[in-house]
Amino acid sequence: AQSVTQPDIHITVSEGASLELRCNYSYGATPYLFWYVQSPGQGLQLLLKYFSGDTLVQGIKGFEAEFKRSQSSFNLRKPSVHWSDAAEYFCAVGAWDNNDMRFGAGTRLTVKP
Amino acid sequence: EPEVTQTPSHQVTQMGQEVILRCVPISNHLYFYWYRQILGQKVEFLVSFYNNEISEKSEIFDDQFSVERPDGSNFTLKIRSTKLEDSAMYFCASSALDEQFFGPGTRLTVL
Repeated sequence: AQSVTQPDIHITVSEGASLELRCNYSYGATPYLFWYVQSPGQGLQLLLKYFSGDTLVQGIKGFEAEFKRSQSSFNLRKPSVHWSDAAEYFCAVGAWDNNDMRFGAGTRLTVKP
Repeated sequence: EPEVTQTPSHQVTQMGQEVILRCVPISNHLYFYWYRQILGQKVEFLVSFYNNEISEKSEIFDDQFSVERPDGSNFTLKIRSTKLEDSAMYFCASSALDEQFFGPGTRLTVL
């Protein structure tokens, strides 16, 4: 069965600093990978997704993620963090038919001024 | 821009009562989902629904839960007899092909 591990529960970065959120997955076939962001009291917003092709995917709000099959990772990056990026970030893995999508436990991002 | 909507935003109920959480998926979507997020924990898949039947469900989705698409627009989650541990945020999602679009959630509080 598929699973997702986000090793960092909470990360604090300074505004303007770079960011990398880690995600490792376990899946028997070709994974469909997603990053979602959740602001307090809000629903989940898709940042980016990977299905196939170029392993470096660009998303909204200046985020990107790189799929590394050899490491079973799909880390999220942003070169310069803004205060508005403070939120909870979830990595998720799903099947081709999008059933039974599994989420990681989430990483809470705090941005220091 | 089309979006998934959910009502109510917050539902408070007594233990043992039935609750129905409502969702209006995006109109041309064919796949519908319910997820649960207990406070401070991960988002957990409950059930997926396609062509008027459940296509996948998790171990959480026991006999106390049911889903229905009563008409062409609504998608509901019913919890027959709520327990304290059902207190959570419930998210509905819909998709056409690959990307799932999530609603804002319904916070269920069971007293």
